[in-house]
Amino acid sequence: GDSVTQMEGPVTLSEEAFLTINCTYTATGYPSLFWYVQYPGEGLQLLLKATKADDKGSNKGFEATYRKETTSFHLEKGSVQVSDSAVYFCALGRNAGNMLTFGGGTRLMVKP
Amino acid sequence: DVKVTQSSRYLVKRTGEKVFLECVQDMDHENMFWYRQDPGLGLRLIYFSYDVKMKEKGDIPEGYSVSREKKERFSLILESASTNQTSMYLCASSLPHSNYGYTFGSGTRLTVV
Repeated sequence: GDSVTQMEGPVTLSEEAFLTINCTYTATGYPSLFWYVQYPGEGLQLLLKATKADDKGSNKGFEATYRKETTSFHLEKGSVQVSDSAVYFCALGRNAGNMLTFGGGTRLMVKP
Repeated sequence: DVKVTQSSRYLVKRTGEKVFLECVQDMDHENMFWYRQDPGLGLRLIYFSYDVKMKEKGDIPEGYSVSREKKERFSLILESASTNQTSMYLCASSLPHSNYGYTFGSGTRLTVV
């Protein structure tokens, strides 16, 4: 079945550092891939998505590229801010299915 | 702005009470979901519904039931609340296929005492 694996957290960075959160998936065919962000005490918000191989999703300075050859969708940001502190979830979805498959989430802590 | 609205941000209930968590979406989405989120356990699916009056069990349905009488509303019911149901509850909705992603509500933090 489908699965999504994210790096364990927490990831602790200083402000303006470069961020990478790794996400790899197992799925047949061509799923869509998503990154969601959850700020403290809130629900999940869609951060970015990509629907086919080599697509790059981007939003708020975050980027992720759909790499089918490595089955990965790593999240990157060039310069993090304290306000980026949150939990980040990678997920995949299918054209023929009702449900997203989520990774376990990665907590990011950014220190001033 | 499209929305999924959960009726309460914070709830405190007593053990044994019947608890209703309400979720309403204004996007005419077919699918609706209830998850609970606990530290170290990620998101766990309780129930979902793909149409009015339809429901499917998720991974952890024990102790819960759901109701979907109207397309826009999906209610989660704790028949007899217990302390191990203290958690963050998240509602989401989506179009019929998951490649469109979900829209989540803001969550309800439930404490059972």
